[in-house]
Amino acid sequence: DIVMTQSPDSLAVSLGERATINCRSSQSLLDSSDNKNYLAWYQQKPGQPPKLLIYWASIRESGVPDRFSGSGSGTDFTLTISSLQAEDVAVYYCQQYYSTLVFTFGPGTKVDIK
Amino acid sequence: QVQLVQSGAEVKKPGASVKVSCKTSGYTFTNYDINWVRQATGQGLEWMGWMNPNTGNTGYAQKFQGRVTMTRDTSKSTAYMELSSLRSEDTAVYFCARSNYGEYKYWGQGTLVAVSS
Repeated sequence: DIVMTQSPDSLAVSLGERATINCRSSQSLLDSSDNKNYLAWYQQKPGQPPKLLIYWASIRESGVPDRFSGSGSGTDFTLTISSLQAEDVAVYYCQQYYSTLVFTFGPGTKVDIK
Repeated sequence: QVQLVQSGAEVKKPGASVKVSCKTSGYTFTNYDINWVRQATGQGLEWMGWMNPNTGNTGYAQKFQGRVTMTRDTSKSTAYMELSSLRSEDTAVYFCARSNYGEYKYWGQGTLVAVSS
C-alpha cells in the first residue's frame, strides 16, 4: 500500500501569514498516461466531515478561497495558505487516489493561530 | 443538490455487528462509487473501502478484510456498510463519501458507532 506522511504534525501561524504543509507519498502519484497527480487535500473542522480543498494536486475546488493552493508532483506535495485567516484553523489531510484499489490519507496537520 | 444522509448513532457490544446506511439524493446513484472512511475520536481519517453501486463490486482495506461488507439498494439509492466482530477499537465516527476519481467532494454527516460492554 502507498503510505502517506505529512509534516509538520502541527503549526501555529500569525493571522495574515503564510502556512505551508508538506505531504509525501511512498511512491509516485503521477500517472504518465494522463500526466495527473492523484493527490487531494482536505480541511476538517471539529464535528464536521472533511471538506475537499484541492484535487489533482493543484486544482482548487469550486468555492474554495484562492488563498489555498496546492503544488508538487510525483512524491512530494505542498498545501499553502497564503494569508491565514481565523476560519482556517483546522486539521488538514492529504489523500492519494493513485492506487485504485486502496486509497490512503496522511496523518493530518493541525493548523492554529499564533 | 447532492446529499448523503447517514443513519443515526449506534451502541454495540463487543462481538456484535453494526450496519450503517448512507442515503443519497440529487444525482444518479449508480454513476459514482461510494467510499467509507472512519475516524476515531481525536484521530485521523482511515479509509475502509469502496463500492461501485452499479455493479456491486467492492474493494476493502486489508485491515478490514473479512469483517466489512459494503452493499447497496439501488431502488433506495442507499449504500450500506456492515462491520462485524466489533471491538472497542472500532469505536469511531463512520463517514460515507461519494467518489469522483477517488477524491471526495460530497460526504455524509457521519455516524457514531460506540462499542462498549
